[in-house]
Amino acid sequence: NAGVMQNPRHLVRRRGQEARLRCSPMKGHSHVYWYRQLPEEGLKFMVYLQKENIIDESGMPKERFSAEFPKEGPSILRIQQVVRGDSAAYFCASSPQGVPYEQYFGPGTRLTVT
Amino acid sequence: SQELEQSPQSLIVQEGKNLTINCTSSKTLYGLYWYKQKYGEGLIFLMMLQKGGEEKSHEKITAKLDEKKQQSSLHITASQPSHAGIYLCGADMNTDKLIFGTGTRLQVFP
Repeated sequence: NAGVMQNPRHLVRRRGQEARLRCSPMKGHSHVYWYRQLPEEGLKFMVYLQKENIIDESGMPKERFSAEFPKEGPSILRIQQVVRGDSAAYFCASSPQGVPYEQYFGPGTRLTVT
Repeated sequence: SQELEQSPQSLIVQEGKNLTINCTSSKTLYGLYWYKQKYGEGLIFLMMLQKGGEEKSHEKITAKLDEKKQQSSLHITASQPSHAGIYLCGADMNTDKLIFGTGTRLQVFP
């Protein structure tokens, strides 16, 4: 049973470009969480999604950031017009339905904005 | 202010020594999760604690949750270089997400 997959593992974008980060949850998991880890800081919750539904986006910046988890395919975290401050490691976790705290983490995507 | 405080922020120990990492909350925890993150990699689940006074062990790592369910400790016995990494506690505070501490960076030198 494959774990949580994230791609790309490393992403370099110039200021103003768009970044798309993908997360494929573990098989059978219907809940996805996105976290951001800034250098020398802990993990910060961004958004919690079920398929076709955003449950909690209280940790998402108000502008430029969006997330989706379509009926088919991976969850996408999209950052428009990236700035240097967006450089961070973005982690995705998935959990089974009904057990939101049993989260399994992916390896992360390291975004560097130049 | 941080809802979940971890201490120490960093730790450097000699191989073979014991060490303890603490995680303290200002609120009652419904669950406490310990993860390890190797430098530049994702999180690996270590242990989950849910009951006051609960203690769990895996190999040389023991985690405890106090009776009040506001503090947890992670203890490593006879540390090895393979224990090096960042240890993160994550808390279930009866919301729909985990709150994480800032992490403890552990280095083990021979």
